[in-house]
Amino acid sequence: NAGVMQNPRHLVRRRGQEARLRCSPMKGHSHVYWYRQLPEEGLKFMVYLQKENIIDESGMPKERFSAEFPKEGPSILRIQQVVRGDSAAYFCASSPAVHNEQFFGPGTRLTVL
Amino acid sequence: DQQVKQNSPSLSVQEGRISILNCDYTNSMFDYFLWYKKYPAEGPTFLISISSIKDKNEDGRFTVFLNKSAKHLSLHIVPSQPGDSAVYFCAAIGSSGAGSYQLTFGKGTKLSVIP
Repeated sequence: NAGVMQNPRHLVRRRGQEARLRCSPMKGHSHVYWYRQLPEEGLKFMVYLQKENIIDESGMPKERFSAEFPKEGPSILRIQQVVRGDSAAYFCASSPAVHNEQFFGPGTRLTVL
Repeated sequence: DQQVKQNSPSLSVQEGRISILNCDYTNSMFDYFLWYKKYPAEGPTFLISISSIKDKNEDGRFTVFLNKSAKHLSLHIVPSQPGDSAVYFCAAIGSSGAGSYQLTFGKGTKLSVIP
């Protein structure tokens, strides 16, 4: 049973470009979460999705950030017009139900030049 | 306002000895607690969890203790092995609303097990 998959593992973008981060949850998991880790910090919640629905995006910046989890295909975290402050590790997690252990992918390390 | 605190940024332990990692929380709505282990350039790996209705949970070399009145939990690793060297994150989930699915993490404790 494959774990949570994320790609790309590393992404370099120049200021103003768009970043697209992908996440495929574990088989059988319909709950997907995105977290961001800044240097020397713990992980911070960004958004919680189920298939075709955004349940809670309260942890995401209001502008430039969006997330989706379509009926078919992976969940996508999209960052438009990236700035240097967006440089971080972005982790996706999935779970079979809420209020449960969440299993994390390897992360995407975004560097904005 | 940090709701989950790991006050020791680092800990060094001799191989074979016990490692004790501590975590404090402030939110009384937290009712489920988890420990994750993280190696550099990898995602967090789930280790062990405990519900607030228990005060101890054991899995092999790992034991988590919960003291609800003190809002404190600890992870014991015994015996410690060099492969345990990693950053350990404490996390918590609440009983209702947004807290029931948002993991709130501490900043982590870097454990070094010396051979």
